[in-house]
Amino acid sequence: SAVISQKPSRDICQRGTSLTIQCQVDSQVTMMFWYRQQPGQSLTLIATANQGSEATYESGFVIDKFPISRPNLTFSTLTVSNMSPEDSSIYLCSAIGQGLNQPQHFGDGTRLSIL
Amino acid sequence: SQQGEEDPQALSIQEGENATMNCSYKTSINNLQWYRQNSGRGLVHLILIRSNEREKHSGRLRVTLDTSKKSSSLLITASRAADTASYFCATDEGKLIFGQGTTLQVKP
Repeated sequence: SAVISQKPSRDICQRGTSLTIQCQVDSQVTMMFWYRQQPGQSLTLIATANQGSEATYESGFVIDKFPISRPNLTFSTLTVSNMSPEDSSIYLCSAIGQGLNQPQHFGDGTRLSIL
Repeated sequence: SQQGEEDPQALSIQEGENATMNCSYKTSINNLQWYRQNSGRGLVHLILIRSNEREKHSGRLRVTLDTSKKSSSLLITASRAADTASYFCATDEGKLIFGQGTTLQVKP
């Protein structure tokens, strides 16, 4: 199964700043995703990271707030822009390998706190 | 948006007992996946069950899927304190949509 590395693992940021989270997969994968998990809640899909093109965002999430890049098959970044305390969450990267009905694996997440 | 609904929301049992968690969903799916999340950690993939499968086993885990009722269950047998975690079902409909999760506490 794919091993997914995220960094940073945690950060404490000031209101109004931006942070870029990196996600590296150890093998080529077909699809990569970014999720948010607010305190005490389940995971919500932010967007699908598309290689070489703009990400596909879910309802309630916009590119200006969460710009995403995926320059190749194994790497993606998520930026949380102009942060406010409401953005305090765990952000998780996930990926699916090639083939039908493959399990979707997750990184350990980035725990973000905004002061 | 959340599709899966899980129950119970919280479950507390003694070590050695079995734990059953249920998941219901609303639309057609390609597969359904179960995950475990220990406090403050990432998600660990447990089992994937395809839409044409009815039951799947992995060690002490047993997952069933009833597509006519749009429901799935996760059974953990002979539970251990180390099984204490949150468990999530997620339905694959081209993208993975998560349920609200069940928090399991196994008391030693």
